[in-house]
Amino acid sequence: AQKVTQAQTEISVVEKEDVTLDCVYETRDTTYYLFWYKQPPSGELVFLIRRNSFDEQNEISGRYSWNFQKSTSSFNFTITASQVVDSAVYFCALSVASPTSGTYKYIFGTGTRLKVLA
Amino acid sequence: DGGITQSPKYLFRKEGQNVTLSCEQNLNHDAMYWYRQDPGQGLRLIYYSQIVNDFQKGDIAEGYSVSREKKESFPLTVTSAQKNPTAFYLCASKWGQGTEAFFGQGTRLTVV
Repeated sequence: AQKVTQAQTEISVVEKEDVTLDCVYETRDTTYYLFWYKQPPSGELVFLIRRNSFDEQNEISGRYSWNFQKSTSSFNFTITASQVVDSAVYFCALSVASPTSGTYKYIFGTGTRLKVLA
Repeated sequence: DGGITQSPKYLFRKEGQNVTLSCEQNLNHDAMYWYRQDPGQGLRLIYYSQIVNDFQKGDIAEGYSVSREKKESFPLTVTSAQKNPTAFYLCASKWGQGTEAFFGQGTRLTVV
């Protein structure tokens, strides 16, 4: 069975602190995709990053960085020098092919609410 | 501008009524999805459609129905059979396997 676990329900940090959001996934598939989305108070999910199972290279985009480790089935997300605008709910998601239809579906974690205090 | 439009943003339903949530996209995406989001929970898949005139049930399809008569449109009907419909509903689309999904701004449905 596939599963995504975001054990941190809510995190509060003071502005300019670094913060890491954890994501652990489970799948037996060798081909899969991992995603991070941001959900601001407006409600729309905003795509942040996609990684496929064959690319363990870490990525940095401005203040954001992602650490993908297949050995621990983790895809963690770090925000450096956090800002108040980073306050949102962050979702990690796994996409694998359905064994019956072959269609790729998303499995979402329960999300981590990040509060950045001024 | 390309994107996904959901309407209405807020919707109120009386007990026993069916209501339809609209989702339109102009991204030329083949695949479209409906998710339900409850407080403290992740997104749960209701229905999805890979092509026009075809759709499949997701994990929580009971009490919901959909249609896909046009590539651009994927409306969701919340029927009276759905016993706990109060939730935030998100529509999404994507163009290929393993690609990122684009989401609408959501519809918040409340039963009154």
